[in-house]
Amino acid sequence: IAGITQAPTSQILAAGRRMTLRCTQDMRHNAMYWYRQDLGLGLRLIHYSNTAGTTGKGEVPDGYSVSRANTDDFPLTLASAVPSQTSVYFCASSKGGRGANVLTFGAGSRLTVL
Amino acid sequence: AQRVTQPEKLLSVFKGAPVELKCNYSYSGSPELFWYVQYSRQRLQLLLRHISRESIKGFTADLNKGETSFHLKKPFAQEEDSAMYYCALSGLNSGNTPLVFGKGTRLSVIA
Repeated sequence: IAGITQAPTSQILAAGRRMTLRCTQDMRHNAMYWYRQDLGLGLRLIHYSNTAGTTGKGEVPDGYSVSRANTDDFPLTLASAVPSQTSVYFCASSKGGRGANVLTFGAGSRLTVL
Repeated sequence: AQRVTQPEKLLSVFKGAPVELKCNYSYSGSPELFWYVQYSRQRLQLLLRHISRESIKGFTADLNKGETSFHLKKPFAQEEDSAMYYCALSGLNSGNTPLVFGKGTRLSVIA
């Protein structure tokens, strides 16, 4: 089934550890995004990529990094996790261009940092 | 700067009652507005976009540039409408500018 796959589904992590959340899409979408969802704060953009080889910072990029080596994959890395990064993380993709704002979302990765 | 305001965190209505989820925006250019929905144990998905001017699952939303609003309406709420609703904004013809989401409104339809 075409779509977006995120891994892991859920993870508990000790503060200070490094963590990479994986995101893969098979729709050949140009643009990909990482959002975090927090109660009362809604969805906030962390990083995005309009096309393979390029990335951009969103609203809350600090403590996170991304790479876009190819069209399909867009991993999100927490270099040294902190408790404030406890959240549900959603990866999304879109065709880009005039179709940029019709997003397809992954199922989410629930991360708890202790 | 782009900003989306959803003033209600939670909205509870009885089945069969009308529903209106409010969304106001701030944007200096021509906006493109969306409603996304997240049903329980399902992925976030597009509900409707203003340029399509269509009704999805009985919901409609009209862009009011004078009031900078894009309220989501349904005349008769159903239990299956219970979900988290997000209003989102981008610039029309802005190319690849990512969407800005509001904080969301949880709709609870009571039987």
